[in-house]
Amino acid sequence: QQQVKQSPQSLIVQKGGISIINCAYENTAFDYFPWYQQFPGKGPALLIAIRPDVSEKKEGRFTISFNKSAKQFSLHIMDSQPGDSATYFCAAPQGGATNKLIFGTGTLLAVQP
Amino acid sequence: ETGVTQSPTHLIKTRGQQVTLRCSSQSGHNTVSWYQQALGQGPQFIFQYYREEENGRGNFPPRFSGLQFPNYSSELNVNALELDDSALYLCASAWGPLTDTQYFGPGTRLTVL
Repeated sequence: QQQVKQSPQSLIVQKGGISIINCAYENTAFDYFPWYQQFPGKGPALLIAIRPDVSEKKEGRFTISFNKSAKQFSLHIMDSQPGDSATYFCAAPQGGATNKLIFGTGTLLAVQP
Repeated sequence: ETGVTQSPTHLIKTRGQQVTLRCSSQSGHNTVSWYQQALGQGPQFIFQYYREEENGRGNFPPRFSGLQFPNYSSELNVNALELDDSALYLCASAWGPLTDTQYFGPGTRLTVL
């Protein structure tokens, strides 16, 4: 049973463009929404995370937008760079624990130079 | 690098065999979680260990078992291997069971023939 649905499956963006990845969740008890970045041959790494008491969080070129009523959150990568090419996963806490995560299926981002 | 190491890097087994995967957590971290990542999918939570005790389990059968040692390193054991067990197995360590941020190792690629 998938509780976190991520889209699109893949994304191609030109250098300098904006990459947008979306995630929808079902369980209204979720209270922590991270995005992870994974490069080939590496484990996932926490990129940015948000809690539902705010609607937006920005760290450098990365922004999470959170819509509690729609049960959706999205990752925006501004001024996308070839080095951002990776797989991105949204996640949500399983059983209320923020380090026991349910992951989305991933979005493969390719930033073309 | 996260400081989380896993061994071996790659492993090939045949159906019905047993396998043991190892994880050394980042210094000072007492919580280790294991995830299974099938090809093209997001990681799935297997279980978590905190101070040598299992602290939560995902939807995996009992043939998936684990250990955590006094130095907080951990093992994942899988008995009676099935073809569907072929995946990347990731461990992640954290300062504690309630800590948001966890650090993933590079994973062990298991192939079951």
